[in-house]
Amino acid sequence: GNSVTQMEGPVTLSEEAFLTINCTYTATGYPSLFWYVQYPGEGLQLLLKATKADDKGSNKGFEATYRKETTSFHLEKGSVQVSDSAVYFCALSSQYSSASKIIFGSGTRLSIRP
Amino acid sequence: SQTIHQWPATLVQPVGSPLSLECTVEGTSNPNLYWYRQAAGRGLQLLFYSVGIGQISSEVPQNLSASRPQDRQFILSSKKLLLSDSGFYLCAWGLAGTYEQYFGPGTRLTVT
Repeated sequence: GNSVTQMEGPVTLSEEAFLTINCTYTATGYPSLFWYVQYPGEGLQLLLKATKADDKGSNKGFEATYRKETTSFHLEKGSVQVSDSAVYFCALSSQYSSASKIIFGSGTRLSIRP
Repeated sequence: SQTIHQWPATLVQPVGSPLSLECTVEGTSNPNLYWYRQAAGRGLQLLFYSVGIGQISSEVPQNLSASRPQDRQFILSSKKLLLSDSGFYLCAWGLAGTYEQYFGPGTRLTVT
């Protein structure tokens, strides 16, 4: 079945450091890929998405490229800020009957030191 | 614009008590609706989804149930809570034929 594997945290970085959070997936067909972010005590927010191979999703300085050959969707940011501290979830979605079904990774907690 | 509400925000309930969590969506019609549970330090587990009024699909057998009495209202219930029901419950909506889902603020349930 479909699954998502992302690097385990927690990840702790200094402000302005480069960020990479690895994510790989297993899926049949051509799923859409997502990164969601969860700030403390809140629900999940859609951070970025990519719907086909070689698409690059981007938002708020974060980027991820849909790599079908390596089944990966790694999240990157060139210079992180303290406000980026949150839990990040990689996810994939395939159409399931008339409702989409999202499979989430286990999440990676990111902490940024000032 | 669309907004999604959940209440209560936090809830502490004794084992064996009933549960009712409510989710409502504004600004869209006939959305697909979803209930997820997030256990402490873990990912999200899809519990139920609904593509229309009165239509509920269950993903995981358990002592929870869901109902959709109105187009933009989704309710999660239990007759008798277990300790293992503790967690963060998230409601989400999406449009039919699309992949994205949009999440509410969540309800933190502690069963004591």
